[in-house]
Amino acid sequence: QTVVTQEPSLTVSPGGTVTLTCASSTGAVTSDYSPNWFQQKPGQIPRALIYSTTNRHSWTPARFSGSLLGGKAALTLSGVQPEDEAEYYCLVLYGGAWVFGGGTKVTVL
Amino acid sequence: EVQLLESGGGLVQPGGSLRLSCAASGFTFNSYAMCWVRQAPGKGPEWVSSITASGSVTYYADSVKGRFTISRDNSKNTLFLQMNSLRAEDTAIYYCAQDVGSRPAVYWGQGTLVTVSS
Repeated sequence: QTVVTQEPSLTVSPGGTVTLTCASSTGAVTSDYSPNWFQQKPGQIPRALIYSTTNRHSWTPARFSGSLLGGKAALTLSGVQPEDEAEYYCLVLYGGAWVFGGGTKVTVL
Repeated sequence: EVQLLESGGGLVQPGGSLRLSCAASGFTFNSYAMCWVRQAPGKGPEWVSSITASGSVTYYADSVKGRFTISRDNSKNTLFLQMNSLRAEDTAIYYCAQDVGSRPAVYWGQGTLVTVSS
């Protein structure tokens, strides 16, 4: 069974930068796996942020950027705002099977 | 505006069955792949199943394979999830979501709660 692993929690100061990563138990995450990122705030539905590794949706602020970093997918938040406090989930596509990561809780403090 | 409205959730005993529906509007339903994603209380999302635009190809998570069946009725703009042999660990909010091209689960419904308990 494929497992996708994320940092459980990260803390960042307002205006700061934080990078979340997403690792696969099958090996390196590459663009072939089209990693995606979702944001979920308490009581809300997950919202798509990044698709196909680096691409923002039309509603995604420019301070969110996706990349590959050391064999993992990465989501970088730059110039963090208080409203960015949320849970972030990566989604890796293994052909027809998709696997979500366990999520990273980002606290802005 | 894309609208997805799930229904059919409820309380069911272990071993029972439920059929979820997702009524779609605001887009050309038969042009888009669709999926079901669930989220157990206090947990992260879990992909359950996907279906191509025509309905000819389906995919399932290992955790539901052989028990759940995804289908669609493009004439009625509706997505379905037939859930059999339900287990306590299937308890979750079930969301339907629209895939847009290579972008998975772009638009989500509000979800329907399934509780499996005796």
